Amino acid sequence: DAGITQSPRYKITETGRQVTLMCHQTWSHSYMFWYRQDLGHGLRLIYYSAAADITDKGEVPDGYVVSRSKTENFPLTLESATRSQTSVYFCASRYSTGYTFGSGTRLTVV
Amino acid sequence: AQSVTQLDSQVPVFEEAPVELRCNYSSSVSVYLFWYVQYPNQGLQLLLKYLSGSTLVKGINGFEAEFNKSQTSFHLRKPSVHISDTAEYFCAVSLSGGSNYKLTFGKGTLLTVNP
Repeated sequence: DAGITQSPRYKITETGRQVTLMCHQTWSHSYMFWYRQDLGHGLRLIYYSAAADITDKGEVPDGYVVSRSKTENFPLTLESATRSQTSVYFCASRYSTGYTFGSGTRLTVV
Repeated sequence: AQSVTQLDSQVPVFEEAPVELRCNYSSSVSVYLFWYVQYPNQGLQLLLKYLSGSTLVKGINGFEAEFNKSQTSFHLRKPSVHISDTAEYFCAVSLSGGSNYKLTFGKGTLLTVNP
């Protein structure tokens, strides 16, 4: 089915390790987004991208890196994971009249 | 920049009662408004959205919302809730023009429907 695919669905990693969360869309939406969801904070924007090779910081970018070499992929990397990055991560893309979200990645940093 | 305030973090109601989840936004320009629902351990599902036109928007599962520009509000309502409506609800806003397409969320309202 067309849509946004996030992988992995669940990930446990150790403090200090690098981890990459994958996001793939089957459309050619220009805009893509990464959010993290934490209790009491709702969803907060980490990074977004307007097109391939164009990315910008959101509300909570520290500790994260993104890239977008192809329109359909927007990976999110935690360069050195910390316990405060334990969260549920959602990828999204924008179409003409709204946004569509992936199923999320639940990341636990131990 | 736009912002969203969901006025209630938790709303407990009894089954078959009406419910209103309140959302206020802040923006100096025209906006699009959205309500999403998230059931336990699931992703986000779009309930309804306001883009333009009629200020009363009908969505899925019997929900509706009214856009009030003068009060900068977009409250979500349902006349009679079911146990299955227990979930977290998020209000979100994006700008309707320009090149800033960030979607900004409120902190969420947990709706608990009791028998």
